[in-house]
Amino acid sequence: QKEVEQNSGPLSVPEGAIASLNCTYSDRGSQSFFWYRQYSGKSPELIMFIYSNGDKEDGRFTAQLNKASQYVSLLIRDSQPSDSATYLCAVNVGSARQLTFGSGTQLTVLP
Amino acid sequence: GAGVSQSPSNKVTEKGKDVELRCDPISGHTALYWYRQSLGQGLEFLIYFQGNSAPDKSGLPSDRFSAERTGGSVSTLTIQRTQQEDSAVYLCASSFGSMETQYFGPGTRLLVL
Repeated sequence: QKEVEQNSGPLSVPEGAIASLNCTYSDRGSQSFFWYRQYSGKSPELIMFIYSNGDKEDGRFTAQLNKASQYVSLLIRDSQPSDSATYLCAVNVGSARQLTFGSGTQLTVLP
Repeated sequence: GAGVSQSPSNKVTEKGKDVELRCDPISGHTALYWYRQSLGQGLEFLIYFQGNSAPDKSGLPSDRFSAERTGGSVSTLTIQRTQQEDSAVYLCASSFGSMETQYFGPGTRLLVL
């Protein structure tokens, strides 16, 4: 079992719809969770971080964390074609300082 | 303020040559990380610095890889006797402290012929 798992996609949604991206992790001791966006040929760009159970909203983005079920998700409301990218879930697994990344979900928002 | 910078942005080298990749973190960030992203692969951790010390070198794939950090700032990743499988994008990230949010540089694209 991989430490951080994501559906690789590709995921396609129409413009204006809600895109839902999911991530599961294996180590119950993990405490910090991050979502990065990576455009083709570019480096990862931080979208959101979440440390506590529940929802965290920032503009069109909502991160959801459920530590009991060991999953973290990212919702993108009113999706735009400019949201088309690969979304990377990253976790400080256990007490590790480095991030462990999922393989990423490729999102395409269709105009 | 300025973000993480890396140089060179692209590097083409011949198999067997040594290469040095440079990372300049965000000012004031004490933690610095090196990752590697190969074509079609996920991001792979290489090494982590806290200040000038490297408490975790567990991700370095072989003894051909080494890294140092001086003055709590600039870091250099050195790959000796490069192999074709070393071809990848090498990404540097920094954070204010360990376990804090990491910000990535633009990466160095390394191609070993």
